[in-house]
Amino acid sequence: GAGVSQSPSNKVTEKGKDVELRCDPISGHTALYWYRQSLGQGLEFLIYFQGNSAPDKSGLPSDRFSAERTGGSVSTLTIQRTQQEDSAVYLCASSPDRLNYGYTFGSGTRLTVV
Amino acid sequence: GEDVEQSLFLSVREGDSSVINCTYTDSSSTYLYWYKQEPGAGLQLLTYIFSNMDMKQDQRLTVLLNKKDKHLSLRIADTQTGDSAIYFCAESLTGNTPLVFGKGTRLSVIA
Repeated sequence: GAGVSQSPSNKVTEKGKDVELRCDPISGHTALYWYRQSLGQGLEFLIYFQGNSAPDKSGLPSDRFSAERTGGSVSTLTIQRTQQEDSAVYLCASSPDRLNYGYTFGSGTRLTVV
Repeated sequence: GEDVEQSLFLSVREGDSSVINCTYTDSSSTYLYWYKQEPGAGLQLLTYIFSNMDMKQDQRLTVLLNKKDKHLSLRIADTQTGDSAIYFCAESLTGNTPLVFGKGTRLSVIA
């Protein structure tokens, strides 16, 4: 596609429920990144994919968080048993194999856990 | 580890120049970026600079890099109300490592 697409744009969920956030990167971009943006906390790196593999999962905050990428394209970030501290904007970005020009970000999914 | 620091707020009058500053800790950083985030939107890449450069100019934007002090700045000339946004500094060690972002500087432009 022309840009990075994320869905849903907003999600309100009850504490304890599971949620899935989707990212559709720019066609042909092999690298895909998930970040979390909390109020006053800047951008926190979560996980990075190169193709379908994840060389760096160091940012996932707990084992309730997981992500996968299939076909070198769409990625899904899953949060199980959501907690209120998971409330944030989840941003996805993609880039060509060589990161000379920075990422292209999607508009994010705003997750609110009530 | 890598760390990127920015001041949180900056307020300027329309027509003045804005200077947003950033410091980073990892002297091995090879790529440095400035992103802009408008309300409700994702981050938009404004400009980037490689560590072998000390200045880059792009229309109203000027990026200065002082490698010795590990200091990066973004100057916006003739600041307009449309420049009001949060500006993020970011660094990357190589072309394929995840970017590390600062917490962002909120620029407010007063008409």
